[in-house]
Amino acid sequence: GAVVSQHPSRVICKSGTSVKIECRSLDFQATTMFWYRQFPKQSLMLMATSNEGSKATYEQGVEKDKFLINHASLTLSTLTVTSAHPEDSSFYICSAEPDSNQPQHFGDGTRLSIL
Amino acid sequence: QQPVQSPQAVILREGEDAVINCSSSKALYSVHWYRQKHGEAPIFLMILLKGGEQKGHDKISASFNEKKQQSSLYLTASQLSYSGTYFCGTAASGGSYIPTFGRGTSLIVHP
Repeated sequence: GAVVSQHPSRVICKSGTSVKIECRSLDFQATTMFWYRQFPKQSLMLMATSNEGSKATYEQGVEKDKFLINHASLTLSTLTVTSAHPEDSSFYICSAEPDSNQPQHFGDGTRLSIL
Repeated sequence: QQPVQSPQAVILREGEDAVINCSSSKALYSVHWYRQKHGEAPIFLMILLKGGEQKGHDKISASFNEKKQQSSLYLTASQLSYSGTYFCGTAASGGSYIPTFGRGTSLIVHP
């Protein structure tokens, strides 16, 4: 089945640090990837849709200058949390779909803790 | 708009059945079901694309009632491995095909 790899799985860093998270589709090409944030015992909240070769589409309320998304190739999207603060601590999950109307396949998530 | 899932939580003994409901205020194009274990990524269960469609594998199945704008997930003779949080994701007709996820239903199966 389709596999999506996300790295790193866990980050602990000081306030003000920028953190980069990678999402790779290992056995299929993904024109579109998605970035979600999940707070404890909460739902998956879509942050942005990452489009290969073009700008990401951000959901309302998500700061595009704080959460930088780059989709450099058909198999790689990166999310950079710039100048992270404790309120940015969360579980960040990426997903990719082989085609529209196909199920999304999720990465294993990145647990970000900002001290 | 976020779909509404019910119940919020279910506690079962192994072998018992459960039903999880997902309803939307909008006409639906598709319904997606995922299960997530604590600290892990959601795992895809099934996608329903047509009203009246029913799908299933093993003892987990789902139905999609297009008129009522809702879907139900059926877990039969539950196993310990079924424990986790179940999310439905819905995509509205005429809107983005990207699903919006509900708040989840926590399922705990005891021996």
